[in-house]
Amino acid sequence: SQQGEEDPQALSIQEGENATMNCSYKTSINNLQWYRQNSGRGLVHLILIRSNEREKHSGRLRVTLDTSKKSSSLLITASRAADTASYFCATEIIQGAQKLVFGQGTRLTINP
Amino acid sequence: EADIYQTPRYLVIGTGKKITLECSQTMGHDKMYWYQQDPGMELHLIHYSYGVNSTEKGDLSSESTVSRIRTEHFPLTLESARPSHTSQYLCASSEFRMVGEKLFFGSGTQLSVL
Repeated sequence: SQQGEEDPQALSIQEGENATMNCSYKTSINNLQWYRQNSGRGLVHLILIRSNEREKHSGRLRVTLDTSKKSSSLLITASRAADTASYFCATEIIQGAQKLVFGQGTRLTINP
Repeated sequence: EADIYQTPRYLVIGTGKKITLECSQTMGHDKMYWYQQDPGMELHLIHYSYGVNSTEKGDLSSESTVSRIRTEHFPLTLESARPSHTSQYLCASSEFRMVGEKLFFGSGTQLSVL
């Protein structure tokens, strides 16, 4: 079963609008991270939120974490065409071999 | 921009060929990873390394092998490529921490096996 599931799978909005993506996970985590992937490229780290944090900001990004619901959300405010990409959540799970488990991503399209 | 490089960027080969995908990083990171990603899908960890002479298998069973003779270099080898190996392969590295490791990714190698 998947550790991380993202919702929606695809999102299309107009430039200037806010975009919200959600991530749910199953097991306890050390932290949750969000990454961005432009088409055909590698992933770029955006933001990390620790399990004892509830909200974190970075520029136009706002991330929330609710460990009781095992869910996180990524909000991009005042979207731009350059924000068009896939966004992945990754959970650092609590187990012997420390590693990140990635969700399937949300494909975000910003229409000019 | 991350200092992690993958070559080749694209590779089209015939069934049965032996191939090596190269990955190098200049950040001095101890940990390195190989992920496999099909279009529009999640990343699957196939190999990782804690440092020189360390290699571990990931969550997704893979017929590939890796080596880690130098800190900066983590090549992935397929002894006999098959069409089922067609996918994007992403290399990543991170500075070792007890928690909160952030991964730096290369641009990927898109492999097509005919």
